[in-house]
Amino acid sequence: GNSVTQMEGPVTLSEEAFLTINCTYTATGYPSLFWYVQYPGEGLQLLLKATKADDKGSNKGFEATYRKETTSFHLEKGSVQVSDSAVYFCALSPVSGNTPLVFGKGTRLSVIA
Amino acid sequence: EAGVTQFPSHSVIEKGQTVTLRCDPISGHDNLYWYRRVMGKEIKFLLHFVKESKQDESGMPNNRFLAERTGGTYSTLKVQPAELEDSGVYFCASSRLWAGGADEQFFGPGTRLTVL
Repeated sequence: GNSVTQMEGPVTLSEEAFLTINCTYTATGYPSLFWYVQYPGEGLQLLLKATKADDKGSNKGFEATYRKETTSFHLEKGSVQVSDSAVYFCALSPVSGNTPLVFGKGTRLSVIA
Repeated sequence: EAGVTQFPSHSVIEKGQTVTLRCDPISGHDNLYWYRRVMGKEIKFLLHFVKESKQDESGMPNNRFLAERTGGTYSTLKVQPAELEDSGVYFCASSRLWAGGADEQFFGPGTRLTVL
């Protein structure tokens, strides 16, 4: 079956620190991979995505590269800000499309000034 | 363009009562999904509508949960009778009907359900 494993939180960083949130997946075929973010009091928003191996998704200074050989999609940002404090979810969608997302447990990030 | 909306934002009920959650998807989105996040755990799929038809309801936990999407527009999710383990955040998401692979799902803010 399909599953996503992401690092347990919470993660607390100082402003301008480097961020990595690990995500690995198990899937049949070639899924699309996503990072969603949930800011306090809001719904989930798509942060970035990658649809095939070696693709790099990027948005708002965040990046993640689809690594088929390690079945990973780690989220990185070079310099976090207080406004990045949120819960981050790694997710996959099977290649067939129009199908439900499979999520990891979420990682809460707190950035302190 | 209006986003996905959900009502209510919070609901606190007692065990054995009934609660109905509503989701209004983005206009024109034929796919509608319900998900649930129990505290500290992953977001789990409940069911998927394509227009007014249930495409996949394999994630529905039991027959106390009933989802409808009359006319292929808004959807309701009824829990009757509610149990303590039903507490969590219920998310709704919508997307276009896409023939070319995975399309972005747009999420609502969620309904936080607390069963006492």
